[in-house]
Amino acid sequence: EAQVTQNPRYLITVTGKKLTVTCSQNMNHEYMSWYRQDPGLGLRQIYYSMNVEVTDKGDVPEGYKVSRKEKRNFPLILESPSPNQTSLYFCASSIRSPSGVNYEQYFGPGTRLTVT
Amino acid sequence: GQQVMQIPQYQHVQEGEDFTTYCNSSTTLSNIQWYKQRPGGHPVFLIQLVKSGEVKKQKRLTFQFGEAKKNSSLHITATQTTDVGTYFCAGPNNAGNMLTFGGGTRLMVKP
Repeated sequence: EAQVTQNPRYLITVTGKKLTVTCSQNMNHEYMSWYRQDPGLGLRQIYYSMNVEVTDKGDVPEGYKVSRKEKRNFPLILESPSPNQTSLYFCASSIRSPSGVNYEQYFGPGTRLTVT
Repeated sequence: GQQVMQIPQYQHVQEGEDFTTYCNSSTTLSNIQWYKQRPGGHPVFLIQLVKSGEVKKQKRLTFQFGEAKKNSSLHITATQTTDVGTYFCAGPNNAGNMLTFGGGTRLMVKP
């Protein structure tokens, strides 16, 4: 089954404790991205990756890191989480970047992160 | 930078009533996509519009892309409780490497 998986689904942590949220897709998609969703603000892009070893900042990259060592995986790293990073996080993938047609994004189930 | 605005933010309707959400971009878009997110779920792709003035239908849902390719709308005829959720529009930036989402319209349907 074609899917995007994220782990963990829920996480409560404390300020400053490094964490990683994993994301994996089995569709051989080139483009992957991370979004955070906050009430009233829609989905905001944190980082994206056009392909292996190619990553770039989105609209809200501060406090986050990513890597793309393999095509299927795109982990999101919070080196020193702070309470303002409490949010719902979605990983997404698409066959290509949003530069033309047929780039529908497939979203993972989401990770609800709380930083106290 | 590019901004995509959606109105209204919330809409309560009685089951059977129609519903429309509007999307406006600060820049001309090469295309626009619509997604639906059920409560507690993740966004799911609905449709993509590419041509100026394009209209597409999916059963009770009608999607329009404005002539200037800066606005779009989603209209649902005779809403059902299964239509409950948040509807997002999204458009690519000029470089085509990022997708900007509108704030979403949350639809609530009273049976």
